[in-house]
Amino acid sequence: DAGVTQSPTHLIKTRGQQVTLRCSPKSGHDTVSWYQQALGQGPQFIFQYYEEEERQRGNFPDRFSGHQFPNYSSELNVNALLLGDSALYLCASSLGPGNNSPLHFGNGTRLTVT
Amino acid sequence: GQQLNQSPQSMFIQEGEDVSMNCTSSSIFNTWLWYKQDPGEGPVLLIALYKAGELTSNGRLTAQFGITRKDSFLNISASIPSDVGIYFCAGPDQGAQKLVFGQGTRLTINP
Repeated sequence: DAGVTQSPTHLIKTRGQQVTLRCSPKSGHDTVSWYQQALGQGPQFIFQYYEEEERQRGNFPDRFSGHQFPNYSSELNVNALLLGDSALYLCASSLGPGNNSPLHFGNGTRLTVT
Repeated sequence: GQQLNQSPQSMFIQEGEDVSMNCTSSSIFNTWLWYKQDPGEGPVLLIALYKAGELTSNGRLTAQFGITRKDSFLNISASIPSDVGIYFCAGPDQGAQKLVFGQGTRLTINP
């Protein structure tokens, strides 16, 4: 039973570029959430996708966008990259968006912006 | 938005010692979660607390949901090398899965 998988594991981009990160949820899960974890900090909620729609959003600019596909996998897109976007991006999946179903996290994508 | 403050920020202990860390908030939480993150991995849920005053154990780990709903504690008994990592508290912010995390407590164990 595969857990949450994310790709790529590491990525280096230049300021101003665009990036797409991918996530496959744990088998049986239908909800995907994305978090940004800066070095030495706890994860910060970016947004959540359920039924291919963005359901909740954290305090992140419109440069951060996402998508969920019919197979429940998800993408996180970041446009016009800034140096401050360098972080570990974590995907978490769960069953349903609003209940107490625990989040299962992937191992993240480490994004470095130079 | 809601913020969680964890203390201490880091701990250096001897193997076999007991560990205690806490998490406080200026606002009420209805759920408290404790996660552990190992290097290069995502956070893993250790304990979930859903009721004020609740005391829950998971092996050598014990966590408590504070009576005021504004704090929670995590204790680890008889620490072992694999307990090394960063421990985060978290709680829901306007949504069961829109979690707010503390800044973490980094645990280092000297053998």
